[in-house]
Amino acid sequence: QSVLTQPPSVSAPPGQKVTISCSGSSSNIGNNYVTWYQQLPGAAPKLLIYDNDKRPSGIPDRFSGSKSGTSATLGITGLQTGDEADYYCGAWDGSLGVLSWVFGGGTRLTVL
Amino acid sequence: EVQLVESGGGLVQPGRSLRLSCTASGFTFGDYAMSWVRQAPGKGLEWMGFIRSKAYAGTTEYAASVKGRFTISRDDSKSIAYLQMNSLKTEDTAVYYCIRGNTGYGGAMAYWGQGTLVPVSS
Repeated sequence: QSVLTQPPSVSAPPGQKVTISCSGSSSNIGNNYVTWYQQLPGAAPKLLIYDNDKRPSGIPDRFSGSKSGTSATLGITGLQTGDEADYYCGAWDGSLGVLSWVFGGGTRLTVL
Repeated sequence: EVQLVESGGGLVQPGRSLRLSCTASGFTFGDYAMSWVRQAPGKGLEWMGFIRSKAYAGTTEYAASVKGRFTISRDDSKSIAYLQMNSLKTEDTAVYYCIRGNTGYGGAMAYWGQGTLVPVSS
């Protein structure tokens, strides 16, 4: 059971938009930045969004992030077949004064 | 270009120890926190722990699931981070990733290595 909650899967046709939610609590998302990762099949995860809504260089603006309260959302527009991957959210968690990093369980994106 | 290369993985028997290394290049290693994350076959990501830069006393934090068994250390002179794993269990079987943080204190886990597979089996 992951600390952050993501839907197991989402799907949409090419060219459309999809959103992936990530729900947490005040000890993680509510008081810390959210990070998003993309893991293509057979590859290591790659940073997609950091500090809630910032894109590293090289990440297209089709990918966006937002946060509200204890939830965050990853948006992907203009879906391409190459976007099929697992997406993970993550954040620092300060429960009971102990610092740890927590991940969501991951969301499998299928571009139909 | 930031590069992280993990090594030291391989088949190990339950109860034994293993040390993974993460060799870094393309940045000033000593300025950044380094983390370890694992992924069991077909499963999600699980954070193991991290070590801050010397500017933040090189302090460490660990996941409750491995605290006391796993130890993270660093050698800034060699640009290497280590993950010492003791009393290994079959459930420790996973690909282990080394990650560079965005800051010396921690920050987002930004750059990932390609991972090294550690099967734990008799």
